[in-house]
Amino acid sequence: QKEVEQNSGPLSVPEGAIASLNCTYSDRGSQSFFWYRQYSGKSPELIMFIYSNGDKEDGRFTAQLNKASQYVSLLIRDSQPSDSATYLCAVVQGAQKLVFGQGTRLTINP
Amino acid sequence: EAGVAQSPRYKIIEKRQSVAFWCNPISGHATLYWYQQILGQGPKLLIQFQNNGVVDDSQLPKDRFSAERLKGVDSTLKIQPAKLEDSAVYLCASSFGLGNTGELFFGEGSRLTVL
Repeated sequence: QKEVEQNSGPLSVPEGAIASLNCTYSDRGSQSFFWYRQYSGKSPELIMFIYSNGDKEDGRFTAQLNKASQYVSLLIRDSQPSDSATYLCAVVQGAQKLVFGQGTRLTINP
Repeated sequence: EAGVAQSPRYKIIEKRQSVAFWCNPISGHATLYWYQQILGQGPKLLIQFQNNGVVDDSQLPKDRFSAERLKGVDSTLKIQPAKLEDSAVYLCASSFGLGNTGELFFGEGSRLTVL
């Protein structure tokens, strides 16, 4: 089992719709969870972090965490073409090691 | 505020040759990371420094890769000898502390092609 696993893409969503990105992790002791966005040919940039069970909203983005199910998700409402990118789920494991998933490539179609 | 600086941006070498990448983190950032990102995959941590000490290098192929962070500031990652499978983008990142409760700031990356 991979340490951090994301739903396989690519994911294609029409403009204005909700994009849903999912991630599961193997280390039950993990406490900190991040979503990074990576545009093609660019470096990752942080868009959300979540530490507590439940939902966390920031503008059009909502992160959801369920530690019992070892599941993290990212919802993007009112998707825009500029949201087209690869989304990376990252989880802190052990002695503060940040482990990334393989990424899900998202395309927003105008 | 200056970001994380990396050089060179691109490097093409033949297998069995050596290469070195340099990284200068954001001023004041104690933690420095080197990640390897192969095309189509997520970044994989190679080595993590706290000041000039190694925190994690469990996935660093130590028979060919080495890294150092002298004086707790800039860092160098070396590959010798390179293999075809080392073709990747090498990302350097830095953060304020070991806790990873803050953001990792990435450099633009060094793209390595091994022929």
